Amino acid sequence: DAGVIQSPRHEVTEMGQEVTLRCKPISGHNSLFWYRQTMMRGLELLIYFNNNVPIDDSGMPEDRFSAKMPNASFSTLKIQPSEPRDSAVYFCASSLGSGLKYFGPGTRLLVL
Amino acid sequence: AQSVTQPDIHITVSEGASLELRCNYSYGATPYLFWYVQSPGQGLQLLLKYFSGDTLVQGIKGFEAEFKRSQSSFNLRKPSVHWSDAAEYFCAVEVGDKLIFGTGTRLQVFP
Repeated sequence: DAGVIQSPRHEVTEMGQEVTLRCKPISGHNSLFWYRQTMMRGLELLIYFNNNVPIDDSGMPEDRFSAKMPNASFSTLKIQPSEPRDSAVYFCASSLGSGLKYFGPGTRLLVL
Repeated sequence: AQSVTQPDIHITVSEGASLELRCNYSYGATPYLFWYVQSPGQGLQLLLKYFSGDTLVQGIKGFEAEFKRSQSSFNLRKPSVHWSDAAEYFCAVEVGDKLIFGTGTRLQVFP
């Protein structure tokens, strides 16, 4: 079975550029989570969706960050404009309701 | 507020030695608790989980964890560590639909 798929796996960009991270959850899962991992702050929940609807976005750092889930099989996390402090590993996870959460391999973002 | 504390940032053990990684949680209700492992450059893999029932739970790769309500702890153990266990380990508590993670413990294994 395919797990959670994230793309790209690595992204290097310059400050001010727009960055779009993509996630395909496990088929049949109806909850999707975006996490960010940094040395300073560890693993933080940014936002999560249930049945494609954003439920809690209190972890989104600021207006430069936005996330969408247009359908059950696709979500994006966008940063516009990007800043060096956004450099981190971004993980997507999915679950069936409040069941076990399965994590993707992550996207390593470096903003120069 | 709900939180998870992993007091050990870095632990070094010799291969074959026993291991215990500490985890303390703060949560008002009966917690759902998890341990995840992250190998370098990889995602998070679920090692084991506690929802209810038997307080000693078995996981993959020979790991186990014991839930102690009186101590608000969920420590991870392994009787004999292998070099391939070198990784970062995260304890987490589920709050509603969300996972709250600890800061992680990096395990280094010497031959």
